[in-house]
Amino acid sequence: GAVVSQHPSRVICKSGTSVKIECRSLDFQATTMFWYRQFPKQSLMLMATSNEGSKATYEQGVEKDKFLINHASLTLSTLTVTSAHPEDSSFYICSARNALNTGELFFGEGSRLTVL
Amino acid sequence: GNSVTQMEGPVTLSEEAFLTINCTYTATGYPSLFWYVQYPGEGLQLLLKATKADDKGSNKGFEATYRKETTSFHLEKGSVQVSDSAVYFCALSPANQAGTALIFGKGTTLSVSS
Repeated sequence: GAVVSQHPSRVICKSGTSVKIECRSLDFQATTMFWYRQFPKQSLMLMATSNEGSKATYEQGVEKDKFLINHASLTLSTLTVTSAHPEDSSFYICSARNALNTGELFFGEGSRLTVL
Repeated sequence: GNSVTQMEGPVTLSEEAFLTINCTYTATGYPSLFWYVQYPGEGLQLLLKATKADDKGSNKGFEATYRKETTSFHLEKGSVQVSDSAVYFCALSPANQAGTALIFGKGTTLSVSS
């Protein structure tokens, strides 16, 4: 089946540093990727929609300068948390939609960010 | 607008008990409906889906039927196992909105004890 891989799965960083999380579709082309954030024991909050070759569309309340999203190819999207602070600590999950757009999303394993 | 409402958990069951997790939705037209499962420390995995009214999705002993008349997609399993302990998310993909993200419910935590 379709596979989406995220890296790193866990990252710990100091406050003020930037962290990049990669999301790759391994066996299909993803014209659209979505980035979600999940707080403990809560649902997934959509942060942004990333379309290959164009600027990401951010949800209301999400700082685009804080969470930089790049979708440079049909198989790779990156989320960079800039100048991270402890409140940015969270579980970040990407998902990808097959270019055939069957309506089904495939999810990465998630990346747990801890900012000290 | 589109939304998904799930029963609040946690749901605590003994092994081999019957499971129902309620899910209702609000949407225009005929959205596609999904159940995802998240095991501790992992990402989401698709459990089952249904794309039109009266469809029944099934996988690993879990079932859910797309009920347009009640706008529901309740998840059921006849006999749960300890390994089913996880968080279950109901989600929808809006009808005729290509490229949009899924809309998730808040998730229901299931804990099964032996």
